[in-house]
Amino acid sequence: DVKVTQSSRYLVKRTGEKVFLECVQDMDHENMFWYRQDPGLGLRLIYFSYDVKMKEKGDIPEGYSVSREKKERFSLILESASTNQTSMYLCASSWTSLWTDTQYFGPGTRLTVL
Amino acid sequence: EDQVTQSPEALRLQEGESSSLNCSYTVSGLRGLFWYRQDPGKGPEFLFTLYSAGEEKEKERLKATLTKKESFLHITAPKPEDSATYLCAVLLFSGGYNKLIFGAGTRLAVHP
Repeated sequence: DVKVTQSSRYLVKRTGEKVFLECVQDMDHENMFWYRQDPGLGLRLIYFSYDVKMKEKGDIPEGYSVSREKKERFSLILESASTNQTSMYLCASSWTSLWTDTQYFGPGTRLTVL
Repeated sequence: EDQVTQSPEALRLQEGESSSLNCSYTVSGLRGLFWYRQDPGKGPEFLFTLYSAGEEKEKERLKATLTKKESFLHITAPKPEDSATYLCAVLLFSGGYNKLIFGAGTRLAVHP
């Protein structure tokens, strides 16, 4: 079974703090994604990566950056957290085809920024 | 503008009461449609992929169908364990690149 794990289930940070969210997948997937999920809205893509050290902006990249130094690990960084970044963050991975292959999701990190 | 709309937002059923969830889209260049199930506090779990109008997929009490403008997730004789939020996501080719758009989901509650 594909397993995608995220470093924290719940996180509380203060405005202005630097925040790291980590995601690890154990199935040698090429592609990894970061989404945020807010009530009443669909999942929105923040960044994605199709190879080590390769990254592309999604629909809402402002205020975020990412790092992919190893194939299995994809980190989301909030350089200076703000209250409007309070959300559920979901990491996903997929096999080789960037968009047509099924995405497998982690359990999510619920981030609260005070 | 490309849009994906799921209806209803919430649905309450009695155990055994069959119903359908809808995912409608106004997109051009549809390449595929995904259905996911999401339990509270968890990430979405893949259910089905549909690629062309007329295609159907089944899994236990669930059946997904696809037309040119919408997809339905039919739930036959649901059980309380089917309670979850069901998400659809549309893969389209637009402006020279692929894009995946998620709907906001339908919250399903099945009561004994």
